[in-house]
Amino acid sequence: QKEVEQNSGPLSVPEGAIASLNCTYSDRGSQSFFWYRQYSGKSPELIMSIYSNGDKEDGRFTAQLNKASQYVSLLIRDSQPSDSATYLCAVFSGGYNKLIFGAGTRLAVHP
Amino acid sequence: ETGVTQTPRHLVMGMTNKKSLKCEQHLGHNAMYWYKQSAKKPLELMFVYNFKEQTENNSVPSRFSPECPNSSHLFLHLHTLQPEDSALYLCASSYQLGTEQETQYFGPGTRLLVL
Repeated sequence: QKEVEQNSGPLSVPEGAIASLNCTYSDRGSQSFFWYRQYSGKSPELIMSIYSNGDKEDGRFTAQLNKASQYVSLLIRDSQPSDSATYLCAVFSGGYNKLIFGAGTRLAVHP
Repeated sequence: ETGVTQTPRHLVMGMTNKKSLKCEQHLGHNAMYWYKQSAKKPLELMFVYNFKEQTENNSVPSRFSPECPNSSHLFLHLHTLQPEDSALYLCASSYQLGTEQETQYFGPGTRLLVL
């Protein structure tokens, strides 16, 4: 079982819709969770971090965390073509004492 | 700009060459990382340094040799590489290592092509 799992996609959504990106993790003791955005040929860029169960909103982005289900998600409201990128979920694993990245979900927002 | 710079941004080298990648962070962080990202593969952690001391070598071949002279600078020395080493090499830094609120910031990367 991979430590951090994401659907590779591509997830295709129309412009203006809500994009929902999901991530599951295996280390139940994990406490810190991050979403990075990576445009093709570029480096990962931090979008959000979340540490507590529930929702955390920042502009059009909402991160949701459910530790009991070992699940973290990222919602992007009013999706724009410029949101088209690969979104990486990263989890700080207490068991491994390091940040572990998922393989990423490719999002395509079409006009 | 994240405060982490990398040079060169692009590098083409032959299998017998020796080259070095440089990373510098201006964030006052104490931990620095090298990652490799191959096409359509997840990020692979290579090395971790904390306060200039190497804390992790993720079974990286010896043809990759890291160096961390201080907390702001990190190098990756390359020699006798193979074509399969062609990838995007990313440097990252974080304020603290091994803490629950470790947030890593990435440099722009070096795109390496080994011929």
